[in-house]
Amino acid sequence: NAGVIQTPRHKVTGKGQEATLWCEPISGHSAVFWYRQTIVQGLEFLTYFRNQAPIDDSGMPKERFSAQMPNQSHSTLKIQSTQPQDSAVYLCASSLWGDTEVFFGKGTRLTVV
Amino acid sequence: GEKVEQHESTLSVREGDSAVINCTYTDTASSYFPWYKQEAGKSLHFVIDIRSNVDRKQSQRLIVLLDKKAKRFSLHITATQPEDSAIYFCAASYNQGKLIFGQGTKLSIKP
Repeated sequence: NAGVIQTPRHKVTGKGQEATLWCEPISGHSAVFWYRQTIVQGLEFLTYFRNQAPIDDSGMPKERFSAQMPNQSHSTLKIQSTQPQDSAVYLCASSLWGDTEVFFGKGTRLTVV
Repeated sequence: GEKVEQHESTLSVREGDSAVINCTYTDTASSYFPWYKQEAGKSLHFVIDIRSNVDRKQSQRLIVLLDKKAKRFSLHITATQPEDSAIYFCAASYNQGKLIFGQGTKLSIKP
């Protein structure tokens, strides 16, 4: 079990460019979450899927962020027209179902210059 | 929406002593309360959880207490060791949904 796999581990984009972050949840897990971690804001919930269906995207900045889960083995988080304030570590996590141990990936560190 | 407050931003204890980290939450519907540990440069690692149908849970040196009336829960680490040094996050969720995290407590174990 390789755990939750996130790629790339580091990404540098220029202001205004698009960034796509990838996540492969643990096989068999039905819940997939995306979080963002910064020193100032801490751990912020972005969105989550259950059985590939979007359940709650209340944490997603509406205009430039989108997340998809086209199949049970991967999810993507896309940020259009990246801004310096988008710089953060983006964490993907998965769990068997709600209210059970949530396993986190190692994160993608996004830097917008 | 749910808010989780983690009261200690930093905590320093002597090796062998106990450490206590306190959290409060706002949503009475919250029913699941996990704790996570984050070591420097690493991701979050689950340490222990408690559900609202119990008020105490222990796993080796870790004890979690839940006071639903006060909407407060705490992590007790007994007989602390140097490897306990890390940032600890509390979280709450309800209806099998998202975890809402506290701001984190940086725990340092002094020799």
